[in-house]
Amino acid sequence: SQQGEEDPQALSIQEGENATMNCSYKTSINNLQWYRQNSGRGLVHLILIRSNEREKHSGRLRVTLDTSKKSSSLLITASRAADTASYFCATALYTGGFKTIFGAGTRLFVKA
Amino acid sequence: DGGITQSPKYLFRKEGQNVTLSCEQNLNHDAMYWYRQDPGQGLRLIYYSQIVNDFQKGDIAEGYSVSREKKESFPLTVTSAQKNPTAFYLCASSGSGRGGTGELFFGEGSRLTVL
Repeated sequence: SQQGEEDPQALSIQEGENATMNCSYKTSINNLQWYRQNSGRGLVHLILIRSNEREKHSGRLRVTLDTSKKSSSLLITASRAADTASYFCATALYTGGFKTIFGAGTRLFVKA
Repeated sequence: DGGITQSPKYLFRKEGQNVTLSCEQNLNHDAMYWYRQDPGQGLRLIYYSQIVNDFQKGDIAEGYSVSREKKESFPLTVTSAQKNPTAFYLCASSGSGRGGTGELFFGEGSRLTVL
């Protein structure tokens, strides 16, 4: 089963604008991660936020986590055409080993 | 370079045939995973292994089998019992242990098409 929902399913913006993607999940987590996937390729890890953290930054990425609402958001600032890709949130829970479950993803289109 | 290698990249299979997808990693990771991705969808967990000679079913294990005889290798067999095998298959690995994070490193995927 999928861990949760991502919103929106697709997002189209102009270069230079900010992109915000949201993720909701259902179970307990140790951390939440965001990944990027270019069409037909494997996924690449972008950023991780632990369950006891509320916000994290990495370059043009900002991630927030609200464990009371079981939700997270990924903000990409000053988007570029090269940011066009699918973005997935994934929750990780340690139960003798990590089990990582993915959402359905948001497809981002950045127009030059 | 360290990483995960999946092969073949593209594979065509006739109905009723079993097919094995290869996944090799040289990251010295204990944990390895297989995911299935359908067009426009997220990833669904098929099988995962936290240690050599041990593996667990994920959410959609029916019609698939795996083995973990070596730390570096985690092959996936798509059997004829899998009713809808056409999909993109992704292998991943991560360092295990409580001090880790479960961050996944992915291969480039294998696209299986059943004719």
